[in-house]
Amino acid sequence: DVVMTQTPVSLPVSLGGQASISCRSSQSLVHSNGNTYLHWYLQKPGQSPQLLIYRVSNRFSGVPDRFSGSGSGTDFTLKISRVEPEDLGDYYCLQSTHFPFTFGSGTKLEIK
Amino acid sequence: QVQLKESGPGLVQPSQTLSLTCTVSGFSLTSYDVHWVRQPPGKGLEWMGGIWGDGSTAYNSALKSRLSISRDTSKSQVFLKMNSLQTEDTAIYFCRVSGSSDDYWGQGVMVTVSS
Repeated sequence: DVVMTQTPVSLPVSLGGQASISCRSSQSLVHSNGNTYLHWYLQKPGQSPQLLIYRVSNRFSGVPDRFSGSGSGTDFTLKISRVEPEDLGDYYCLQSTHFPFTFGSGTKLEIK
Repeated sequence: QVQLKESGPGLVQPSQTLSLTCTVSGFSLTSYDVHWVRQPPGKGLEWMGGIWGDGSTAYNSALKSRLSISRDTSKSQVFLKMNSLQTEDTAIYFCRVSGSSDDYWGQGVMVTVSS
């Protein structure tokens, strides 16, 4: 199975500041069709996860441009600029290139 | 408008079988993939398995021997059955629908395994 190593576990940030979360996979996430199926989710307290970024760098419908995704191969990053209170929660990466699909262990974004 | 709703028993006894239903609306099960994801209290997300638009299935390696996912397209329902439940299977169980650029989640159903 592909292991997704997500860091940091906890990320204190100041409102208006920038946050960066890393996700590294134990093998390349480039599919045989050339696409890379690495996605980012935010789970706010008491809610279901919501998709932020799909296939590395595509913002999902309604997601502000403060969120951006980048990376390739085995190394991926989610950046959040100008952090707002509604950005707080747990962030997860998900790979759906290889079966079984696997999530990262999560990063809790907190206010400093 | 896409909607998903999970349903099932809130309490299951150890060694028994869990049966959950995900009822969907707003799309056809033959056009989208439906997945089950669970989250133990205070812990992270775990992909359990999924059923694709063509009816094929895939499962988490660790759960494969006791998990089955099926569907009834006429009723717009996807089913999860998992046997030999233990206390560590206590979790919120979510169903999730995905397409090429779509992603929807149900509100989840809490399942507690306890005698």
